[in-house]
Amino acid sequence: DSGVTQTPKHLITATGQRVTLRCSPRSGDLSVYWYQQSLDQGLQFLIQYYNGEERAKGNILERFSAQQFPDLHSELNLSSLELGDSALYFCASSVRGYEQFFGPGTRLTVL
Amino acid sequence: ELKVEQNPLFLSMQEGKNYTIYCNYSTTSDRLYWYRQDPGKSLESLFVLLSNGAVKQEGRLMASLDTKARLSTLHITAAVHDLSATYFCAVDKRANFGNEKLTFGTGTRLTIIP
Repeated sequence: DSGVTQTPKHLITATGQRVTLRCSPRSGDLSVYWYQQSLDQGLQFLIQYYNGEERAKGNILERFSAQQFPDLHSELNLSSLELGDSALYFCASSVRGYEQFFGPGTRLTVL
Repeated sequence: ELKVEQNPLFLSMQEGKNYTIYCNYSTTSDRLYWYRQDPGKSLESLFVLLSNGAVKQEGRLMASLDTKARLSTLHITAAVHDLSATYFCAVDKRANFGNEKLTFGTGTRLTIIP
């Protein structure tokens, strides 16, 4: 157990819908990262927040957005969902960018 | 753009044998990581390699880093079935503090055959 929690574990929804994935970092970690893992794209970095501020952006679609709240938990919002958005979404956290610890992931299925 | 390549993509090996997984990256980086992933599970951190010549060992796994060659290796000694998993290397290139992202390799799916 890495200490990073993610909810929900599984999410099944329809195309065009909007979902929110939630992540709580390890105690004391200020950085939160979101990654997407799919069969065709592999593991891809989406976005990073550090102490509430966006710090780095990767291959994140405009339909996706994220934020980090004052209590340091983070949410990833996915809207206008398409079949290709089906994937495992991981959150990771680190204390000073040294080593990232990954949560259990949220498996999103878009039907 | 930083690119990370792993080979082989798939590896079947018999118990008791030794093998090496290779990880090449395209530009200088700050750190190299190895992760393990079991099917449908999260990523477990195995090693963090910080400098040229770094070598770390944990049980039957040993990782090394050659920054001049931009190459890291994960060596498996006397493989056992429990090591069956997918192994990823990842590299970060930190532009400045608080701005890090990991670029992952494609992964190597390792199957240990009894």
